[in-house]
Amino acid sequence: NAGVTQTPKFQVLKTGQSMTLQCAQDMNHEYMSWYRQDPGMGLRLIHYSVGAGITDQGEVPNGYNVSRSTTEDFPLRLLSAAPSQTSVYFCASSYSYYPEGSYNSPLHFGNGTRLTVT
Amino acid sequence: DAKTTQPNSMESNEEEPVHLPCNHSTISGTDYIHWYRQLPSQGPEYVIHGLTSNVNNRMASLAIAEDRKSSTLILHRATLRDAAVYYCILPRGGSQGNLIFGKGTKLSVKP
Repeated sequence: NAGVTQTPKFQVLKTGQSMTLQCAQDMNHEYMSWYRQDPGMGLRLIHYSVGAGITDQGEVPNGYNVSRSTTEDFPLRLLSAAPSQTSVYFCASSYSYYPEGSYNSPLHFGNGTRLTVT
Repeated sequence: DAKTTQPNSMESNEEEPVHLPCNHSTISGTDYIHWYRQLPSQGPEYVIHGLTSNVNNRMASLAIAEDRKSSTLILHRATLRDAAVYYCILPRGGSQGNLIFGKGTKLSVKP
């Protein structure tokens, strides 16, 4: 099993350019999510998905789009990159997603994509 | 959303036990307490979780206070490989799947 695979590992963009960060998992996990991590900060949730065709916003969704057409893939799109989006992006997945009062299975993280916007 | 409070940094000697504290005084009755750690240049990895009683696994132990307002992650014998940022996490808005990572505790391990 490869686990959670993120591509590319590094990317440099100019302001206004668009790009897609790829995330794929081979564990048949229902739940997938995207986080960003800025220097000296914890991780902040951008978007998440509880299954194919279902997505929702996290803490910091502005400037990012997501879609989930398959169980395996959860790409993150930057439509018009800004310097404030310079960050390390992590994709995570878990077996399933339970509502309040239940325990969700542990999150498995990829190794991140380091994005610089100039 | 319930918040957690952790020390910014801690130091330990190799092969000694480490107790990493976390305060979560606004925890709700159904919130699980999650611990993850992040090694340098890697994504976070799951360490342990618990609800009310103390928990053990191959990586660590989790001691939860009776009132659930605090918990302690225990590494029984620290190794150099345990140097990482440790996050004590509660779920966001009651949804157990959405975990909110604070700044965590940076653990240094001295040989």
